[in-house]
Amino acid sequence: NAGVTQTPKFRVLKTGQSMTLLCAQDMNHEYMYWYRQDPGMGLRLIHYSVGEGTTAKGEVPDGYNVSRLKKQNFLLGLESAAPSQTSVYFCASNPGSYNSPLHFGNGTRLTVT
Amino acid sequence: GDSVTQMEGPVTLSEEAFLTINCTYTATGYPSLFWYVQYPGEGLQLLLKATKADDKGSNKGFEATYRKETTSFHLEKGSVQVSDSAVYFCALSGPSGGSNYKLTFGKGTLLTVNP
Repeated sequence: NAGVTQTPKFRVLKTGQSMTLLCAQDMNHEYMYWYRQDPGMGLRLIHYSVGEGTTAKGEVPDGYNVSRLKKQNFLLGLESAAPSQTSVYFCASNPGSYNSPLHFGNGTRLTVT
Repeated sequence: GDSVTQMEGPVTLSEEAFLTINCTYTATGYPSLFWYVQYPGEGLQLLLKATKADDKGSNKGFEATYRKETTSFHLEKGSVQVSDSAVYFCALSGPSGGSNYKLTFGKGTLLTVNP
């Protein structure tokens, strides 16, 4: 059982380049989330989805777009990368209950130069 | 809005020492409370949780009690090991956030245990 899988694990971009981070979960969870983790800032929610075909903004959505075309996948896009987007990105999923914990992937470390 | 405040680190202890990491929260309604642990190079994983007042979550020797009167969920362990070295996050999730079940995280506390 793979759980939550993120690809790629590492990526270096130049300012202005674009990329897509992929998150896949095999637990049939309804809810999926993208967080970014920065030193001294904890985890901040970028976007989330409460089901296939839905997306919503989190705490820090600017500069990112997301799509949830299939229930098991949640994509995070950077259209024009900026150095401020250098971070570690985590995807997580939840079956749809606030009593249930989030299941996290192992993260994608992104550096924008 | 909801918020979580946890003690800032880093915390450095010797093996077999007692550990406390403080966590307090602000939320409307009755949130569920969680402690997550992040080992180097990995994602977060659930350590323990409590879903109502006076509940005690426990796992791997760690404990935390949901104290509604003090809005706290402090993490404790009686005797830490080198393998407990990690970053610990306090988090809450509750119906006050609507039906989206988002978690609000503290900033994390880095624990280093020396042999």
